[in-house]
Amino acid sequence: QSVLTQPPSASGTPGQRVTISCSGSSSNIGSNYVYWYQQLPGTAPKLLIYRNNQRPSGVPDRFSGSKSGTSASLAISGLRSEDEANYYCSAWDDSLSGWVFGGGTKLTVL
Amino acid sequence: DVQLVESGGDLVQPGRSLRLSCAASGFTFDDYAMHWVRQAPGKGLEWVSVISWNGGSIGYADSVKGRFTISRDNAKNSLYLQMSSLRAEDTAFYYCAKASGTMITAAFDIWGQGTMVTVSS
Repeated sequence: QSVLTQPPSASGTPGQRVTISCSGSSSNIGSNYVYWYQQLPGTAPKLLIYRNNQRPSGVPDRFSGSKSGTSASLAISGLRSEDEANYYCSAWDDSLSGWVFGGGTKLTVL
Repeated sequence: DVQLVESGGDLVQPGRSLRLSCAASGFTFDDYAMHWVRQAPGKGLEWVSVISWNGGSIGYADSVKGRFTISRDNAKNSLYLQMSSLRAEDTAFYYCAKASGTMITAAFDIWGQGTMVTVSS
């Protein structure tokens, strides 16, 4: 059971906008930044969003992040087939004094 | 380019020990904290451990506390994970990840390709 809660799956058709939620608590998302990672099949994870809503250089602006209270969301607009991957949220947890992840969301592009 | 190359993964019996290494290049190693993150086959990501830039601050997941030891050698640009009393549930791909800052509260921004650890008799 992951500390952060994500839906196990999400889907959309090319061009659509999809959102993936990440729910936590006051000790993690509620008081710290949220990070999002993309893991394409058979590869290492890659940083997608940092500090709630910032994109590293090279990440398309189709990807955006937001946070409100103890929840966060990743939005992908203009969905493309190459976006098919697993997406994970993460945050520092003050109570655990460690990093926590969501269980991951498998995005399928129909 | 930033590069992280893990090594040391192997098939090991339950109760035995194993040491993982991560060779870093392309950045000033002692300017950053470093993490280990693992992923069991077909499962999600699990944070394992973190060490600050100078080794002065360290954190562990409860699942490995008391069994795993993280360390670094800044002169060799290397990160290590000493794993002891290994269990079947430690079977996973182990990733080395660079943090975005010096302290253990800095998130992982660059990941290596991982090394596989299999614990089985």
